[in-house]
This record gives sequence, structure tokens and C-alpha cells, in this order.
Amino acid sequence: DAGVTQSPTHLIKTRGQHVTLRCSPISGHKSVSWYQQVLGQGPQFIFQYYEKEERGRGNFPDRFSARQFPNYSSELNVNALLLGDSALYLCASSTGLAGPWEQFFGPGTRLTVL
Amino acid sequence: AQTVTQSQPEMSVQEAETVTLSCTYDTSESDYYLFWYKQPPSRQMILVIRQEAYKQQNATENRFSVNFQKAAKSFSLKISDSQLGDAAMYFCAYRCALGGSEKLVFGKGTKLTVNP
Repeated sequence: DAGVTQSPTHLIKTRGQHVTLRCSPISGHKSVSWYQQVLGQGPQFIFQYYEKEERGRGNFPDRFSARQFPNYSSELNVNALLLGDSALYLCASSTGLAGPWEQFFGPGTRLTVL
Repeated sequence: AQTVTQSQPEMSVQEAETVTLSCTYDTSESDYYLFWYKQPPSRQMILVIRQEAYKQQNATENRFSVNFQKAAKSFSLKISDSQLGDAAMYFCAYRCALGGSEKLVFGKGTKLTVNP
């Protein structure tokens, strides 16, 4: 089975632009989470979606938004890009069901804001 | 607040030797999961080992084992017989299930170098 996939792999934008990042979870996984990893730091939680509804949001400004589609794939949108938004954006999926819990990560999208 | 602290920014080990990476965490939850993830230069976050807080027995996965001290809120990773392929960033993480969401709270990471 395919793992978590993300697109694009790399992206270069300029300040003030908008960006959309995409994620496809592992088949059968209903929960998708987004993390931001700034160089030299651990990942920081941005959003969790489960069954197309937002379950949690980290300490990020309203410029960050996300949604989950009926096929459980997800998009992360960032408006009015700032230099500080340059980071690796990781998507992770999990079953969302009770039992042993684990999040599986995608390879990430490297966003550079110039 | 839920926090994870990794006090060793960098560690090095000789090939075939043993190394221990430290992690402490803070939580008000009584039942939770702890993880060690490995992130090589390829950026893919790979799960190394998982520990359920309600289990007293320390988790092991081949050459990787943990020393879980619940009262002390300590969760260290021991890598035995280190191999060149173990070189990577290692992140300790805790699953926070407060507020209706499930999220991982990560430490800042430890960069492990394996010397031949």
C-alpha cells in the first residue's frame, strides 16, 4: 500500500503570495494532521482533521487554513506569505479509531518564501 | 502545558557502540503515548519506537529500546550496535489528546552522528 503522499515536493513563493499544499493519507485513514517544521526545530502542530471536520488547531495565525475532502485527502492553505513561513510542511495520517495510536508521516513539502 | 525537552542537541557514537538519547516531558494526562522518530536528511519522519504510558514494560524494537520512567517523566532511547544508517535527527514526541484533538508534541531533536 502507498504511504502518505504530499505535493509538491518543493515550492518557491514570494512574500504576500498564497500557497496550497496537498496531502493524500494512507488508504483507510480518516484523520489528517499538518505540522510545520522550521529548520533546526521539531515539527509544530498546525491542524488536525477527522471525517472532514477540524478537530484541533495549533497556535498559528488565521492566514493558515485547511480542509479535508470526502476521499480524506487534505489541503493546507497559507495566505499573505511571510519570510517566516519558510519551512518543511509535514502531513501525517492516522486511522482515527480507538486502539494503538500512530501517525504516519509523508515526505513533506519544502516551502521557501523569498 | 505539554512540553517535550531534549537536552542533547548533538550526540556522536562509534559504529557498533551503544548510545543513549535523553528526553523528558511534561503532561497532565494520565494515559498517553510516547514516541521516538528518526528523520534522516531525506526528511521522511520514521517511527523508531512507541511506548504506551500504561505499560510498565519498556518497549524494544531490535537494536532500539527505551527506558521509560513515568514518575520522573523521562523517556530515553538506547541504540545498541550503532550502524552508519542510524545517523539522523532523532525526535522525542508525546501524543497529546487534550481538547478533543490528537496531536504530537515534539522536542527540538538530537542530531546523532555515527563514526566509522
